[in-house]
Amino acid sequence: QSALTQPASVSGFPGQSITVSCTGTSSDIGADDHVSWYQQHPGKAPKLLIYDVTKRPSGVSNRFSGSKSGNAAYLTVSGLQADDEADYYCCSYATSFTYVFGVGTKVVVL
Amino acid sequence: QVQLVQSGAEVKNPGASVLLSCKASGYTFTNFYIHWVRQAPGQGLQYMGIIRPSGGATSYTQEFQGRVTMTRDTSTSTVYMYLSSLRPEDTAVYYCAREGPETYNFDYWGQGTLVTVSS
Repeated sequence: QSALTQPASVSGFPGQSITVSCTGTSSDIGADDHVSWYQQHPGKAPKLLIYDVTKRPSGVSNRFSGSKSGNAAYLTVSGLQADDEADYYCCSYATSFTYVFGVGTKVVVL
Repeated sequence: QVQLVQSGAEVKNPGASVLLSCKASGYTFTNFYIHWVRQAPGQGLQYMGIIRPSGGATSYTQEFQGRVTMTRDTSTSTVYMYLSSLRPEDTAVYYCAREGPETYNFDYWGQGTLVTVSS
């Protein structure tokens, strides 16, 4: 199972919105709606931001939103803040209890 | 509160094996799957496999088949991950993560265990 494709970095100014893309195949992202997104600050464990494409866990800011179209998923961060600077990973359920992560995107707040 | 507390850092020689632990608390251990994910230095996340604490069933990704074994001890709410035939490219931080109640996501993560494989 190949890693999902993400841009290496995305940048924006405080207050702006950015979108991180995540491209897979019909065997993973395109197969169902089990796409999740994780934020990881340096030296820390990943944190769940979005699950099932669009759902936010309790406690996660509504500035984070997710969507999907075909074999690609998207994470949008609105009202960009300094603390949003981190690595972001998408993840998709593939098949038979297998998951595949994206390669990761570094979000830079200018 | 839900917590996953992992064992401490390990340094191993190539060819050796390592046993990592992940102790769960704050929820009913047998009700939630536990997954293992690793991250090599400066690299992305790599999925390794899953264990079902209630019955012990496991599933591993093809890359780790034959080298990894995941077990659990329900009396101590602890999951173990055993990785054998270590090579330098196994140097990574290993995370355990709980599958969330709505499934197909990882809602709580351990702090990670650094495993260094070097001669």
